[in-house]
This record gives sequence, C-alpha cells and structure tokens, in this order.
Amino acid sequence: QPVLTQTPSASASLGASVTLTCTLSSGYANYHVDWYQQRPGKGPRFVMRVGAGGIVGSKGDGVPDRFSVLGSGLNRFLTIKNIQEEDESDYYCGADHGGATNFIFGGGTKLTVL
Amino acid sequence: QLQLQESGPGLVKPSETLSLTCTVSGASISRSSNYWGWIRQPPGKGLEWIGNIYFSGSTYYNPSLKRRVTISGATSKNQFSLKLNSVTASDTAVYYCASLRPIAAAGLGVRYYIDYWGQGTLVTVSS
Repeated sequence: QPVLTQTPSASASLGASVTLTCTLSSGYANYHVDWYQQRPGKGPRFVMRVGAGGIVGSKGDGVPDRFSVLGSGLNRFLTIKNIQEEDESDYYCGADHGGATNFIFGGGTKLTVL
Repeated sequence: QLQLQESGPGLVKPSETLSLTCTVSGASISRSSNYWGWIRQPPGKGLEWIGNIYFSGSTYYNPSLKRRVTISGATSKNQFSLKLNSVTASDTAVYYCASLRPIAAAGLGVRYYIDYWGQGTLVTVSS
C-alpha cells in the first residue's frame, strides 16, 4: 500500500503564500490524494482532492478561492495564498487504497501563521 | 447539509469494549451511495482509519485493528456503530465518524473521499 509523507511543520507570514507537499511512495504516481484541514480543537474538514493533473472534483464546503492544488509526479501540493490567521491548522493528506477498503493518511503538517 | 454526531461513553476500563454510535442527519444511510466510516486520533497525534460500512452489508477494517473491531448499522435509526474490544490505554483517542463519497478515478475505478466528519468524541481508556 502507498505511504504518504508530509513535512511536520511549516510557517508563513500573514498575507504571504505557502505550499504544503504530500509525497506518495514509489509506484503510486497515478493516485489521487485528499487534503484535510484541522483547526485547533476541531474535527478535520475536506479541502479538495488532487491528482497528477490537478484538482479532481469540487472543493469542500466553504473552502476559499485562496486554496489551490497541483500534482506532479509523486507529489501533491496544497497552496494557500494571502494567508489568514484562520488558516493556522494541521493539514493532512489522505488516500483511498482500494475503493473504501483501506485508507491511508500522511503524518500531517502543522501550519503556523506568523 | 449532511451532519454526523458521535455519542457514547467517554471513559472505558482496560480490557473492556468501547462502543460508539454515529447519528446521521441530512441523508439516508440505507439509500445513499456513500460508505460510512470511523477514524481516530490519539491525543497530539495523527489520523488513523478504523473501518467502513456500506449498507449492502460490506465492511472493511484496518488490518491492525481487524481482530478487535466491529462496525454495524441501524438503518431504522439512521445510525451506525463502532465496537472495539479488549481496549488498552493506546486506544485512548478522539473518535470521528465520517461520510465517504464515491468519485471516479481514471485508471483506478471508483474511489472514496471523506466529505463530512463528525465533531469527534474523546474516549479515554483508564481504570
């Protein structure tokens, strides 16, 4: 099964941009990855899905246009532009390996807004 | 809009069974094409998938938990439930129930993503 690797932490200044990366293990370059945002003390919420060609489907409810995704090779990127205080969260990537039979999550990236 | 709400004891003794229920509103779990699932998060740690159920009767479990987990449904109440037996302190976590929506994935067939999550409930395993 695939392994999803994320950098444990990232930071960006208010109003700046940041790109978070989720890297699939070798052999899974055709996989889609889902991004989830988890604000402090809250449950996760779906942000959007990304494949090698970019966004797949629609963004989650209420996700601002400042959030976008790209895919390249084994990497799946989440970019946040014009960062706001409310974007300070843990961001997880996840993948369905087998049509709901097995789900994998990355270790998460803690985004700090400076 | 779909909403999910977990309920159940917040404290379970070691070696006993953890039991949680998820109540779904905004969709019928028996007439939906969604899977319904459980995910947990130990304090300060990442997410771990526990398992899913579909109302044709199909269930799928994390291999690391499979021997101890049962997920079942109560369609008349629009609920589904989690039982985890022989718990230890390492099962202490926030438990989330979730809705999994299907999406076509070129070359991979149908895949699912978690479109809605419950707010989560903390279950502590302690004597």
